[in-house]
Amino acid sequence: AQSVTQPDIHITVSEGASLELRCNYSYGATPYLFWYVQSPGQGLQLLLKYFSGDTLVQGIKGFEAEFKRSQSSFNLRKPSVHWSDAAEYFCAVGAAGGTSYGKLTFGQGTILTVHP
Amino acid sequence: GAVVSQHPSWVICKSGTSVKIECRSLDFQATTMFWYRQFPKQSLMLMATSNEGSKATYEQGVEKDKFLINHASLTLSTLTVTSAHPEDSSFYICSARQGATANYGYTFGSGTRLTVV
Repeated sequence: AQSVTQPDIHITVSEGASLELRCNYSYGATPYLFWYVQSPGQGLQLLLKYFSGDTLVQGIKGFEAEFKRSQSSFNLRKPSVHWSDAAEYFCAVGAAGGTSYGKLTFGQGTILTVHP
Repeated sequence: GAVVSQHPSWVICKSGTSVKIECRSLDFQATTMFWYRQFPKQSLMLMATSNEGSKATYEQGVEKDKFLINHASLTLSTLTVTSAHPEDSSFYICSARQGATANYGYTFGSGTRLTVV
């Protein structure tokens, strides 16, 4: 079964600082990987996704993530954080095949606070 | 872009009553919709998968008689929480998949905050 771990429950950064949110996954083959952002009381918005190919993925709002197979990681990064980036971020894994194909498994989420 | 409308945004109901939540794909046909539940400070847990015109597939541990899912058309899926109790209070989110292939092109609704008193 696939699983996702986000080690950091809460991260606080200053506006303009760089950001890295960690994500580790467990899956028997090459997974499909996603990062979503959720503002309070809202649904999820897709930031970026990795299916195959270039391991450095560019997303919306200036975010990027790097797939590292050897570390089973898919960390999210942004060089300069804006106050509007404050939200909760979820990493998710989707099966590339089998009976779980099409289902997403989410990590526990990381709450990002941005100080002015 | 693809839009999924979820209503109501929030609802308060009395214990023992039923509540219906709607999830509509506004500008695309959603052959498959997913229903998630999110407890405070926790992640999203998949409750069930619904395909248009067929019975929903529930995840292990989810009571199908309590959480009734109907996907009668390509643009509408509903989740009815029957005989609601305070422990059913949660944030419910739907997502819809575009097209027949599972390319993970999912669009999420804005969620429904259910409070059972």
